[in-house]
Amino acid sequence: DARVTQTPRDKVTEMGQEVTMRCQPILGHNTVFWYRQTMMQGLELLAYFRNRAPLDDSGMPKDRFSAEMPDATLATLKIQPSEPRDSAVYFCASGLGQDSYGYTFGSGTRLTVV
Amino acid sequence: RKEVEQDPGPFNVPEGATVAFNCTYSNSASQSFFWYRQDCRKEPKLLMSVYSSGNEDGRFTAQLNRASQYISLLIRDSKLSDSATYLCVVDSGYALNFGKGTSLLVTP
Repeated sequence: DARVTQTPRDKVTEMGQEVTMRCQPILGHNTVFWYRQTMMQGLELLAYFRNRAPLDDSGMPKDRFSAEMPDATLATLKIQPSEPRDSAVYFCASGLGQDSYGYTFGSGTRLTVV
Repeated sequence: RKEVEQDPGPFNVPEGATVAFNCTYSNSASQSFFWYRQDCRKEPKLLMSVYSSGNEDGRFTAQLNRASQYISLLIRDSKLSDSATYLCVVDSGYALNFGKGTSLLVTP
């Protein structure tokens, strides 16, 4: 089965450190999302790319978060500097951007900022 | 108001029961609709798409009412393995909006 690969699986870091999360979308998928999930807020959209172009990053705190797609096989989400409130599970999802096909999620990066 | 609203539950049902989840959405221009399933500490996985005509996949039936902006999921003959959180998802064409999920626990 084709899958979305996210690394690292788990990350514990100290407040103020830079964190980079990586995502390899399914080959051929042209749409990539980054989501953050917490118990309180559920799944929140952070960024959205289509054909590598950022279409929506309004859900992302711009002062510390940045998302990029340097090529079609890699999406990155960076937090600098990290804060304890950033602790969450970060999911990447990819798809074809067409009706009814849905999107496939990676297994997530569990981030803990202490 | 959140774009997608779901009853968080939990729904506790015995094996073999029929259970229904509902979801409402606020953006009338939404284009595609899905139900995802998420197990504890796992990623969400697509359960089924939802069509205006209604669609069925085995024990699962999904319905969409565009006029009322309402989506439903019916699970018949529930199994222990159906225990999970069910997420209602609405694609507005520029974002996938998730409900917070409805928790289901099927007991022996």
